[in-house]
Amino acid sequence: SQQGEEDPQALSIQEGENATMNCSYKTSINNLQWYRQNSGRGLVHLILIRSNEREKHSGRLRVTLDTSKKSSSLLITASRAADTASYFCATHGRNNRLAFGKGNQVVVIP
Amino acid sequence: DVKVTQSSRYLVKRTGEKVFLECVQDMDHENMFWYRQDPGLGLRLIYFSYDVKMKEKGDIPEGYSVSREKKERFSLILESASTNQTSMYLCASSSLWGSNQPQHFGDGTRLSIL
Repeated sequence: SQQGEEDPQALSIQEGENATMNCSYKTSINNLQWYRQNSGRGLVHLILIRSNEREKHSGRLRVTLDTSKKSSSLLITASRAADTASYFCATHGRNNRLAFGKGNQVVVIP
Repeated sequence: DVKVTQSSRYLVKRTGEKVFLECVQDMDHENMFWYRQDPGLGLRLIYFSYDVKMKEKGDIPEGYSVSREKKERFSLILESASTNQTSMYLCASSSLWGSNQPQHFGDGTRLSIL
């Protein structure tokens, strides 16, 4: 099945800096979603962007989608220590399943 | 808020045992999913269900079965546990088949097969 792939795989930043993660995919999609996972916990949905949308904001999160390049980015502005987590992109395609990337670990240093 | 509850956070079983993982959601969601999560492999879909008594295979169904007798409950069954099934198992639910709805996850069950 198709997979989202995040890039970079691991990111370490200082508190207050911005963190950017990218995701690429291979097939056509209905929407693309970003999730966060804190250590040892389940995934938490952050934001969903439909295939006909190009940019979406939610609080300190900004997601872009470029369907011509089959890629998305997640920007976390003014990062906090509590943003330390793994971040996953997931594509929702014609088979009505979510296909997850392998995840991107972000460490925010206080 | 949607709550998805998995019956155990940690579970240790022996090779060959029949293992049941239970998941309950409280939001009357039609869709329920079971994933396993392994380092370097991300989340992989085992089975999902879009209605009571309905199930569909995901990407890695071998060695697993599922049961959905009630809308709120989705069980994953390891028929004869093997060491390569040691993993983190995540249950999720969502509303409305095919719509732009997020999935809501439980906290996971970390299963060790000895």
